[in-house]
Amino acid sequence: ETGVTQSPTHLIKTRGQQVTLRCSSQSGHNTVSWYQQALGQGPQFIFQYYREEENGRGNFPPRFSGLQFPNYSSELNVNALELDDSALYLCASSLDLLRGEQFFGPGTRLTVL
Amino acid sequence: GQSLEQPSEVTAVEGAIVQINCTYQTSGFYGLSWYQQHDGGAPTFLSYNALDGLEETGRFSSFLSRSDSYGYLLLQELQMKDSASYFCAVSHNAGNMLTFGGGTRLMVKP
Repeated sequence: ETGVTQSPTHLIKTRGQQVTLRCSSQSGHNTVSWYQQALGQGPQFIFQYYREEENGRGNFPPRFSGLQFPNYSSELNVNALELDDSALYLCASSLDLLRGEQFFGPGTRLTVL
Repeated sequence: GQSLEQPSEVTAVEGAIVQINCTYQTSGFYGLSWYQQHDGGAPTFLSYNALDGLEETGRFSSFLSRSDSYGYLLLQELQMKDSASYFCAVSHNAGNMLTFGGGTRLMVKP
């Protein structure tokens, strides 16, 4: 059983650009969540997808959007990048919605210049 | 909204016991999770409490008091490899969406 993978590992963009980050969940995990983690802080919940539908959203603007696909992969899209979007972006998959256990990928380090 | 408070830093020596506290304010509380994150690594799940009481997993134990909106993570027989950041996180409403605390950086010294 493979773990959660993310691509790319690192990414540098300029302000105003758009970016797509990708995640491949563990097989059979029908829930994926995305988090933003600034340096020295805890992860902040962006949104969650369950069976390809958005299941919940944190306090992030609409320029953060996502998709989940039937093959357990998902995307995080960010439009009109701002300097404050520089962070580690983590995806996490889970099987059981009620247990609080999520399996995190290694993250994508996004730098916005 | 939701908020969690945990100490920013804790230092302990190898072989000792350390307790990391977490207090939370949230609506629709479902449970409290604990995650470990080494520098440059991904968070890894340690434990989950939905009901009051103690959960033990090897050297790690986690406690929850729902009435006090309080929990803690207890690490026993500390090892150098336990040096990492530890996050408490609440699940609120249905759906396993986590709100994380700011993290506690644990330094284990020889």
